[in-house]
Amino acid sequence: EIVMTQSPATLSVSPGERATLSCRASQSVSSNLAWYQQKPGQAPRLLIYGASTRATGIPARFSGSGSGTEFTLTISSLQSEDFALYYCQQYNNWPPLTFGGGTKVEIK
Amino acid sequence: QVQLQESGPGLVKVSETLSLTCTVSGYSISSGYYWGWIRQPPGKGLEWIGSISHSEITYYNPSLKSRVTISVDTSKNQFSLKLSSVTAADTAVYYCARQGMRGSGSYIHYWGQGTLVTVSS
Repeated sequence: EIVMTQSPATLSVSPGERATLSCRASQSVSSNLAWYQQKPGQAPRLLIYGASTRATGIPARFSGSGSGTEFTLTISSLQSEDFALYYCQQYNNWPPLTFGGGTKVEIK
Repeated sequence: QVQLQESGPGLVKVSETLSLTCTVSGYSISSGYYWGWIRQPPGKGLEWIGSISHSEITYYNPSLKSRVTISVDTSKNQFSLKLSSVTAADTAVYYCARQGMRGSGSYIHYWGQGTLVTVSS
């Protein structure tokens, strides 16, 4: 099973600032990496797939990068609606599909 | 647009079987993709349970495989989850989802709203 590790667990950022979230895989997942956003009481929403491709309707301030074992989600200028939980997920080698433990982006 | 809706009991007794159904609208299950289940214990992260194709090929999380059955009913455009011998550790929000096929990206395209299932004695 591929273990996904996200850091930090909590990220405190001021509105308008940049947020950088990290995701590491225990072995290479190539570019088969997705990012999701989850707000309280809601289902996760797909943000990024293929490590760097934004899903339909996702604003350009969200960008993904990386390949192999190291990945980054960057939110260039945080808006109020971006404060949420973020999960990475690998789909290179499954079953099982595996998710990271999540990063909570909170208002500083 | 594609919509998924979970249904089933919100309370299950310890040692019994948890049963949920997901009804899909806006897309025919018979047309493709994998259809799966993911759960999230209160305050915790996401765990993939398993998925099924329209041709009934199934994939399960090895950690749950001995207790899980996922089935599909294309005539009703539904798929279902059964999890046997439940314990309190199975208390979670259960999401149904559409998952991409192998080769085109098995990420989760669409999620249901989720349903909380509590396991209680």
